[in-house]
Amino acid sequence: GQQVMQIPQYQHVQEGEDFTTYCNSSTTLSNIQWYKQRPGGHPVFLIQLVKSGEVKKQKRLTFQFGEAKKNSSLHITATQTTDVGTYFCAGAMNYGGATNKLIFGTGTLLAVQP
Amino acid sequence: EAQVTQNPRYLITVTGKKLTVTCSQNMNHEYMSWYRQDPGLGLRQIYYSMNVEVTDKGDVPEGYKVSRKEKRNFPLILESPSPNQTSLYFCASSSVLEGEKLFFGSGTQLSVL
Repeated sequence: GQQVMQIPQYQHVQEGEDFTTYCNSSTTLSNIQWYKQRPGGHPVFLIQLVKSGEVKKQKRLTFQFGEAKKNSSLHITATQTTDVGTYFCAGAMNYGGATNKLIFGTGTLLAVQP
Repeated sequence: EAQVTQNPRYLITVTGKKLTVTCSQNMNHEYMSWYRQDPGLGLRQIYYSMNVEVTDKGDVPEGYKVSRKEKRNFPLILESPSPNQTSLYFCASSSVLEGEKLFFGSGTQLSVL
């Protein structure tokens, strides 16, 4: 079935270093969403990208959607300890209905050492 | 406050003892869904509901049941739990009007002994 692959599975950085997580889909996506899950918490919506080649920024976070709408990335500049958590991408696939099906990537666990 | 409320937060049970995890949302969302989260596997969809009395299987529905008799509630039922259903469960809701972004409940950590 359709899959959304996410790498790396785990990343450990020193505070102040940059971090990037990547998602790849086997099929073209209608849109892609990103979520953050703090340790012990629940996933929280960060952003949605819809257009081919779209780039959005939220402070130190930069989100990109590939030209073919099959891949996406999240880049964090100068990580802080508050960035710790698991980042999930979720690709929206349309099967001809009114709504899309969201397929979650396996997530990237980010650890930030002070 | 807009929220998705799940109960209980933690649950320990024994094999074969029926249980229900409740989920309620106060945002008038038409779409609700259940996920389970396991290490290395991410979030996998169990069941979803497009609206009242409309439910469908997700990717891992075996051993689970759901119902959607009211728009706000979407309980997850395990008729005969087994140890392989030990997991972290999340309920989520969304609306097409809000771009289909998911709002998640706080989660239910289930252990089946």
